[in-house]
Amino acid sequence: TQLLEQSPQFLSIQEGENLTVYCNSSSVFSSLQWYRQEPGEGPVLLVTVVTGGEVKKLKRLTFQFGDARKDSSLHITAAQPGDTGLYLCAGPHSGYSTLTFGKGTMLLVSP
Amino acid sequence: DAGVIQSPRHEVTEMGQEVTLRCKLISGHNSLFWYRQTMMRGLELLIYFNNNVPIDDSGMPEDRFSAKMPNASFSTLKIQPSEPRDSAVYFCASTPGQGYTGELFFGEGSRLTVL
Repeated sequence: TQLLEQSPQFLSIQEGENLTVYCNSSSVFSSLQWYRQEPGEGPVLLVTVVTGGEVKKLKRLTFQFGDARKDSSLHITAAQPGDTGLYLCAGPHSGYSTLTFGKGTMLLVSP
Repeated sequence: DAGVIQSPRHEVTEMGQEVTLRCKLISGHNSLFWYRQTMMRGLELLIYFNNNVPIDDSGMPEDRFSAKMPNASFSTLKIQPSEPRDSAVYFCASTPGQGYTGELFFGEGSRLTVL
């Protein structure tokens, strides 16, 4: 079974702070995705990383895929209350037909 | 364009009752996934359909759970009889291709509470 471990489980910070959350596995993934889930809603895709070492930026969010394609990180610069939510990483299951999700990092950004 | 539509958004029922959750796919999508989300276990895949055919139901917890896709745009997830440990948020998601093809489009979820 391909497991994705996310850390920290919960993060509470003040507006303007920087943060990094992590997604780790003992398995190699062909790609990893990051989703954000706001309270009362379903997850929404933020980014897909495919190449080992790849870095993608989405405004204040920076995503990196590890060189060995076993881990990924999400860095947020100058966090805002609108960044509050559950951040989930996901990777294709071994059969490539379905997605396996980590348990997520719950981020709370206070004004 | 309408997204994935789920109903009901909230359901509170008593142990032993039958529960039916409904999902309407995005038009043109032909893969459908049911997930269950709890604090303890996160998002777990229950079942995956492609072109109305169940492809992988290994995540269905037990015989009390059943899922159908009677046509290309609609699916139901039924729990009979329901138990308190079934309390969770149930999501369906769809994609346009066969299986996961780059992005899962999720509905807003159905929050089930079994007393």
